Amino acid sequence: SQKIEQNSEALNIQEGKTATLTCNYTNYSPAYLQWYRQDPGRGPVFLLLIRENEKEKRKERLKVTFDTTLKQSLFHITASQPADSATYLCALEGNGSGNTGKLIFGQGTTLQVKP
Amino acid sequence: SQTIHQWPATLVQPVGSPLSLECTVEGTSNPNLYWYRQAAGRGLQLLFYSVGIGQISSEVPQNLSASRPQDRQFILSSKKLLLSDSGFYLCAWRTQPWSFGTQYFGPGTRLTVL
Repeated sequence: SQKIEQNSEALNIQEGKTATLTCNYTNYSPAYLQWYRQDPGRGPVFLLLIRENEKEKRKERLKVTFDTTLKQSLFHITASQPADSATYLCALEGNGSGNTGKLIFGQGTTLQVKP
Repeated sequence: SQTIHQWPATLVQPVGSPLSLECTVEGTSNPNLYWYRQAAGRGLQLLFYSVGIGQISSEVPQNLSASRPQDRQFILSSKKLLLSDSGFYLCAWRTQPWSFGTQYFGPGTRLTVL
């Protein structure tokens, strides 16, 4: 069955360091992959989208890589700040999803940036 | 600009009582609409989605139902709540996916069934 896995353990890093979060998937051929941020008690907020034919995407301090051979995406936050502390979710939409636009979400990784 | 509203923000209901959660979207037409549930410390579970008025697809067999009586209105209901229905309910929308797009989430409803 299709599966998306994110590191369920919280990631604790020091302010100023680079945070790297991992998203692995199996039995799936995603057309693109998305990353969302979720703060406690709030809805997820879209951060970045990367297509299957793209290797890397950047937005300010954020960088996403997408390796369809390894079936893995890495999400990097450089020069991390305490305000970056949140849960980060990866999501996939597969080829052939038609007009549904359905996304499958990983369980999320909680990042804690300490000052 | 587009906005999405959900209400109520929090709800405490006894087991066996009915439920109605509402979601409305402004500033867009003919969106795809989605209901998710998130258990504490867990990921998002897609419950229902709709690609048009009156068109509802269920992803998970359960005690809940959904309806879309208007283009930008999505309702989640139950006739009799179970303890297991507790959770954080999120509504989301996206444009009709003729191109890749993201989902935009509402603020959520925290439901506690006692």
